[in-house]
Amino acid sequence: GENVEQHPSTLSVQEGDSAVIKCTYSDSASNYFPWYKQELGKRPQLIIDIRSNVGEKKDQRIAVTLNKTAKHFSLHITETQPEDSAVYFCAASRGGAGGGYQKVTFGTGTKLQVIP
Amino acid sequence: DAGVIQSPRHEVTEMGQEVTLRCKPISGHDYLFWYRQTMMRGLELLIYFNNNVPIDDSGMPEDRFSAKMPNASFSTLKIQPSEPRDSAVYFCASSFRTDKPHSSPLHFGNGTRLTVT
Repeated sequence: GENVEQHPSTLSVQEGDSAVIKCTYSDSASNYFPWYKQELGKRPQLIIDIRSNVGEKKDQRIAVTLNKTAKHFSLHITETQPEDSAVYFCAASRGGAGGGYQKVTFGTGTKLQVIP
Repeated sequence: DAGVIQSPRHEVTEMGQEVTLRCKPISGHDYLFWYRQTMMRGLELLIYFNNNVPIDDSGMPEDRFSAKMPNASFSTLKIQPSEPRDSAVYFCASSFRTDKPHSSPLHFGNGTRLTVT
């Protein structure tokens, strides 16, 4: 099955600096890579996703890059703010139409702390 | 859209008791997932349904766990008998089938924090 590794497990940055979280996956057939943010005591929420036919996607201060050859993808947060403090999970899956829904495999999470 | 609704938000029970967690998915979503989250094991998929039919229950830890989806708008996760090691946050999530060869994102409920003493 798919295996997703995520690094680092904890990350502290000064407000205004950038944060980068990296994930690798094992299944070359995976084609969908979402990122979820989970604030303390709350539910995971999708913040950005990327599909295998795209190498990079950006949404305001958040960007995700995908290297299919190397089987790794990364989350980049620029100009970090205290409200970015949370646990971030990467995930990988494949499937959809035709092949049916495939399991979403989550990374182990990165606890990001933005220091004011 | 009210999102995925779970109940109760918190459950405290004694070892050996039966626990039932409830979930109402987003209307129109045909996939429903039950996840368990702990510090040690992170987010674990327990079981998922498609059109009310269980598709993959390989993540269900033991026979003490069971899940049902009697209709498109309701699912339950039952633990009987409960044990202290079942203490965790249980999330329900829903999603929908797309016409694209990719999955669609998961929409999580607020979770049920279960404490078994």
